[in-house]
Amino acid sequence: GENVEQHPSTLSVQEGDSAVIKCTYSDSASNYFPWYKQELGKRPQLIIDIRSNVGEKKDQRIAVTLNKTAKHFSLHITETQPEDSAVYFCAASSNSGYALNFGKGTSLLVTP
Amino acid sequence: NAGVMQNPRHLVRRRGQEARLRCSPMKGHSHVYWYRQLPEEGLKFMVYLQKENIIDESGMPKERFSAEFPKEGPSILRIQQVVRGDSAAYFCASSPDSRNEKLFFGSGTQLSVL
Repeated sequence: GENVEQHPSTLSVQEGDSAVIKCTYSDSASNYFPWYKQELGKRPQLIIDIRSNVGEKKDQRIAVTLNKTAKHFSLHITETQPEDSAVYFCAASSNSGYALNFGKGTSLLVTP
Repeated sequence: NAGVMQNPRHLVRRRGQEARLRCSPMKGHSHVYWYRQLPEEGLKFMVYLQKENIIDESGMPKERFSAEFPKEGPSILRIQQVVRGDSAAYFCASSPDSRNEKLFFGSGTQLSVL
């Protein structure tokens, strides 16, 4: 089945620095790539998504880039704040069109 | 809009018992997805349902697991004869159409099997 690899598994940055999380996928038919943020004990929340016909998308301090040829996409968070601390999951749509295949998550810690 | 509602938040069962997890989608959403999350893991797709129809159950274990989304009432994920390996967080998500984009997740049900 579809395989989504996510790196790093943990990331610690100082407040104000940037954080980058990278994902690769295997199914060339994937055309939708969301990112979810999950705080401890809470629900996953969609923070940004990108479709395959777009190479980059930005929303305030977060941005996502997609390289379809290389089958990888990345989440960029600039000017990180302590409240950005959470687990971030990338996902890619599957060839069935219904399932999202998630990476294993990146635990981001932003220290003041 | 109350969002996606799941209950119970926590469910404890002994091995061999049945677990029933409920999910009410967001108002106006008729598409429901169930995902399972094991500790330190990402979410794993289980099943996608529309009202009264199972559309894709490719992620459901072949035995003991079933799901429904009746015309009236919440979607139900049912696990019969639970085993310790079923212990996980079960998340429900809903969307307004058949595209699996902009999924809104519920707060999940944490199932613990003793």
